[in-house]
Amino acid sequence: DQQVKQNSPSLSVQEGRISILNCDYTNSMFDYFLWYKKYPAEGPTFLISISSIKDKNEDGRFTVFLNKSAKHLSLHIVPSQPGDSAVYFCAASVGNTPLVFGKGTRLSVIA
Amino acid sequence: DAGVTQSPTHLIKTRGQQVTLRCSPKSGHDTVSWYQQALGQGPQFIFQYYEEEERQRGNFPDRFSGHQFPNYSSELNVNALLLGDSALYLCASSFSPTTGQETQYFGPGTRLLVL
Repeated sequence: DQQVKQNSPSLSVQEGRISILNCDYTNSMFDYFLWYKKYPAEGPTFLISISSIKDKNEDGRFTVFLNKSAKHLSLHIVPSQPGDSAVYFCAASVGNTPLVFGKGTRLSVIA
Repeated sequence: DAGVTQSPTHLIKTRGQQVTLRCSPKSGHDTVSWYQQALGQGPQFIFQYYEEEERQRGNFPDRFSGHQFPNYSSELNVNALLLGDSALYLCASSFSPTTGQETQYFGPGTRLLVL
């Protein structure tokens, strides 16, 4: 049973437009959520996180939104750049328990 | 500031062999977690080490074992390798505060191929 789901395996966006990556979770006990970006032949790079006590967190071009009632979070990238092309993983945890990852969404930003 | 480092980058083994992978955490971090990432999947938690002890373990058989040294570096050992152990093995480090959540930072991974 997958507790963290990224239902879109891939997404293509024009350079300069907004990229929206979605993530759903089933465990209502999750209290910490993170997004990682992964390039080929590299490990995942931490992007941004959000605690369950907040509904939005911003860092430059990246914003994460959390909707606890819908058990849904999303990552917005504005404006999208070709260098953003990568696989994006959503992850969640409860307290200090291990991270649970989704399967990832491959984002392609087209120039 | 050196990030998380892992060695080797690539490894080819045959079924039944044993393998040891190594990880040095980011400076200032005291906790090391290991993950297995199969093709097309997200990373799956194997175990976590803190203060030289296994603190948590995922759903992996006893063939997977580990160790943490006094300098916080860590090893992952896999015995009796199976074809299905072929994957990218990721090490992540974090600082373990007494309260609050920890952000894990990943190394580049070791790509293991079992033939």
